[in-house]
Amino acid sequence: KAGVTQTPRYLIKTRGQQVTLSCSPISGHRSVSWYQQTPGQGLQFLFEYFSETQRNKGNFPGRFSGRQFSNSRSEMNVSTLELGDSALYLCASRTGTEAIGELFFGEGSRLTVL
Amino acid sequence: AQTVTQSQPEMSVQEAETVTLSCTYDTSESDYYLFWYKQPPSRQMILVIRQEAYKQQNATENRFSVNFQKAAKSFSLKISDSQLGDAAMYFCAYRSARGAQKLVFGQGTRLTINP
Repeated sequence: KAGVTQTPRYLIKTRGQQVTLSCSPISGHRSVSWYQQTPGQGLQFLFEYFSETQRNKGNFPGRFSGRQFSNSRSEMNVSTLELGDSALYLCASRTGTEAIGELFFGEGSRLTVL
Repeated sequence: AQTVTQSQPEMSVQEAETVTLSCTYDTSESDYYLFWYKQPPSRQMILVIRQEAYKQQNATENRFSVNFQKAAKSFSLKISDSQLGDAAMYFCAYRSARGAQKLVFGQGTRLTINP
């Protein structure tokens, strides 16, 4: 069974641009979560989607948004990029139906903002 | 809000020895889950072990075991017979049993295995 796939793996943008990151969950998983990982702030929860609906949202500005499609694939978008948005963005999926369903992480998308 | 603290930014251990990674957390909830995740240099996060707060028995997974002290809000990870493949960043994480299904992570501990 294929794991969580994130694309692109690496990308470089300049301030003010926008970026879209993609995540394909494990087949059968309906929940997709996004996390931002930086050396200073560590791992922080961005949002979770389940069956195309945002279930939870972390404490990030409105420039960070996401969506989930009917096939459970998810995208996150960051508009008006700032230097501080440079980070590893991790996507994780789970079935979404169990109380303690295990999260499976992708390898991440490394975003550098210049 | 819940917080997770890992007080050891770096740890090292000789191959085949035992090492314990510390984690403390703060919460007012009584029902929650605790996890240890491993992030090798390739960056893919992998679940090592998990503990339900309502279970008094400490979780074990092969060479990995935890010491869960609910009253002290402590959740340490013990790795026995350390192997070179255990080298990674280890993150302690908390998740509420109700409400938002999000993980709150500690800052991580970088574990080095010396051959």
